[in-house]
Amino acid sequence: GAVVSQHPSWVICKSGTSVKIECRSLDFQATTMFWYRQFPKQSLMLMATSNEGSKATYEQGVEKDKFLINHASLTLSTLTVTSAHPEDSSFYICSAPPGAFFGQGTRLTVV
Amino acid sequence: GNSVTQMEGPVTLSEEAFLTINCTYTATGYPSLFWYVQYPGEGLQLLLKATKADDKGSNKGFEATYRKETTSFHLEKGSVQVSDSAVYFCALSATSGNTPLVFGKGTRLSVIA
Repeated sequence: GAVVSQHPSWVICKSGTSVKIECRSLDFQATTMFWYRQFPKQSLMLMATSNEGSKATYEQGVEKDKFLINHASLTLSTLTVTSAHPEDSSFYICSAPPGAFFGQGTRLTVV
Repeated sequence: GNSVTQMEGPVTLSEEAFLTINCTYTATGYPSLFWYVQYPGEGLQLLLKATKADDKGSNKGFEATYRKETTSFHLEKGSVQVSDSAVYFCALSATSGNTPLVFGKGTRLSVIA
């Protein structure tokens, strides 16, 4: 099946710094990728849709200037959490259709 | 809009017990339905899926049947093991194929020996 690889799997950063998370489709091309966020013991909520070659589409309430998404190629989308704060600590996970396969997820802790 | 409703957890069962986790959905058209499992500290693993009415998805002893008449996709397993302890998410995707998943809130299962 389709393989989606996400990196890093976990990261700890200081408040005010930026963190980049990569999502790669390993054996297929993905014009669209989705970024989700999961708070502890909660479900996954869609943050944004990443579109290759065009701007990302953000869900209501998600700050596009804080969560920068770049989909520069057909196999790579990146999510950059800018000026991170402790409340940004969460589990971030990407997926790429078709097949609804997910990356391994990235646990971000901001201290 | 599309939505998924899952039974609230946590669910605690003894080993070898029968498992049912209820899932119902609201959607326009003919969505695809999924069950995912999330083990502690890990990402999501696709457990099974069904893409049309009356399809049965199955994997690792788990089964779910796409019931359009009752808009349901209940997850079942005849005999659970301690290693099945995890959080289970029901999800749907619209038929276009390039749409994101809508998740239920998740059901935490604990299986005790």
